Amino acid sequence: GEDVEQSLFLSVREGDSSVINCTYTDSSSTYLYWYKQEPGAGLQLLTYIFSNMDMKQDQRLTVLLNKKDKHLSLRIADTQTGDSAIYFCAESPPWGGSQGNLIFGKGTKLSVKP
Amino acid sequence: NAGVTQTPKFRVLKTGQSMTLLCAQDMNHEYMYWYRQDPGMGLRLIHYSVGEGTTAKGEVPDGYNVSRLKKQNFLLGLESAAPSQTSVYFCASSEQGISNQPQHFGDGTRLSIL
Repeated sequence: GEDVEQSLFLSVREGDSSVINCTYTDSSSTYLYWYKQEPGAGLQLLTYIFSNMDMKQDQRLTVLLNKKDKHLSLRIADTQTGDSAIYFCAESPPWGGSQGNLIFGKGTKLSVKP
Repeated sequence: NAGVTQTPKFRVLKTGQSMTLLCAQDMNHEYMYWYRQDPGMGLRLIHYSVGEGTTAKGEVPDGYNVSRLKKQNFLLGLESAAPSQTSVYFCASSEQGISNQPQHFGDGTRLSIL
């Protein structure tokens, strides 16, 4: 079956960099996503990367994709307390592409200590 | 900027009761989705719709029914609620089912079945 794997917890100090890792299963997935969920809220799309790219940078966010190892990471530079949230990795497998179906990981809870 | 609106935000039901969760989007999106989020399980797709008048089963459809009579609304029904359906329910919509069209999420409905 399809499983997107993430570590469940990450704790960092304010100002440090955070790196959240994810492994996905379908090498044919065309897009990979990072969503952020703040307490009591829905998921908010942070960024996404097309499978033919190996890196994407957007302000403090850097996404790295290793397609050979099916490994995706999200780096947050200068992590702030406002970055405390659950981060979900998601893949868009080709079989679900026509319906836009996504496969989500279980989420990584990022805690930022002042 | 309403986006995706879910009602109600909270609800407590007794086993065997029925209820309907409403999702409304004002972005003229074709695709709509219902997910459930459980601790340690991430998000799982219940049902989805690729357009007005259409519905399809997701990963965990049993015990739920849906309807998409109007393009902007996607209803999730529980005919006979069970404690196993205690969860947080998220609705999402996307412009099309194409991978680079992000899903926009509502803030969730927290449902407890006693």
